[in-house]
Amino acid sequence: GENVEQHPSTLSVQEGDSAVIKCTYSDSASNYFPWYKQELGKRPQLIIDIRSNVGEKKDQRIAVTLNKTAKHFSLHITETQPEDSAVYFCAASPNTGFQKLVFGTGTRLLVSP
Amino acid sequence: SAVISQKPSRDICQRGTSLTIQCQVDSQVTMMFWYRQQPGQSLTLIATANQGSEATYESGFVIDKFPISRPNLTFSTLTVSNMSPEDSSIYLCSSRGLNTEAFFGQGTRLTVV
Repeated sequence: GENVEQHPSTLSVQEGDSAVIKCTYSDSASNYFPWYKQELGKRPQLIIDIRSNVGEKKDQRIAVTLNKTAKHFSLHITETQPEDSAVYFCAASPNTGFQKLVFGTGTRLLVSP
Repeated sequence: SAVISQKPSRDICQRGTSLTIQCQVDSQVTMMFWYRQQPGQSLTLIATANQGSEATYESGFVIDKFPISRPNLTFSTLTVSNMSPEDSSIYLCSSRGLNTEAFFGQGTRLTVV
């Protein structure tokens, strides 16, 4: 089955810096890769996703890149703000069958003013 | 987007008892899932709730411990049976349409004493 690894587990940056979180996956059948943000005590919320037919996707300060050959994908947050502080999870899913999401271990991002 | 209502939001239960968690989606969805999230940890998939048939369980989870129902396309329940303190966790319901993003309920914080 699918296995998703995520690094780093914690990331501290200064406000205005960029943050990069990396994930690798094992199952070549996976073709959908979402990123979720989870604030303390809240449900995970989708912030951006990418499908395997695309190499990069941007949404304002957030971007995701995908390297299918190497089976890794990354989240890039530019101009970080204190409200970006949260736990971020990557996930992988096939677009066949049950389309279940397998999550990475999470990255706790702390943005200091 | 789908709105998911999950209840109860929290509960404190005696060991040896069972708790049923309900999940209601505001629209018909193809897939519903149940996850467990230990404090400070990632989301682990318990099972895929199949409409009108037995759920599909992930390795390490069994029907006797976590019976799941899904009588229609918008509703599912997860029961945590014969609870022990190790079952203390957050349980999350999720739904996903075909090739669309996954949404999450607000979670049920379970404490077993």
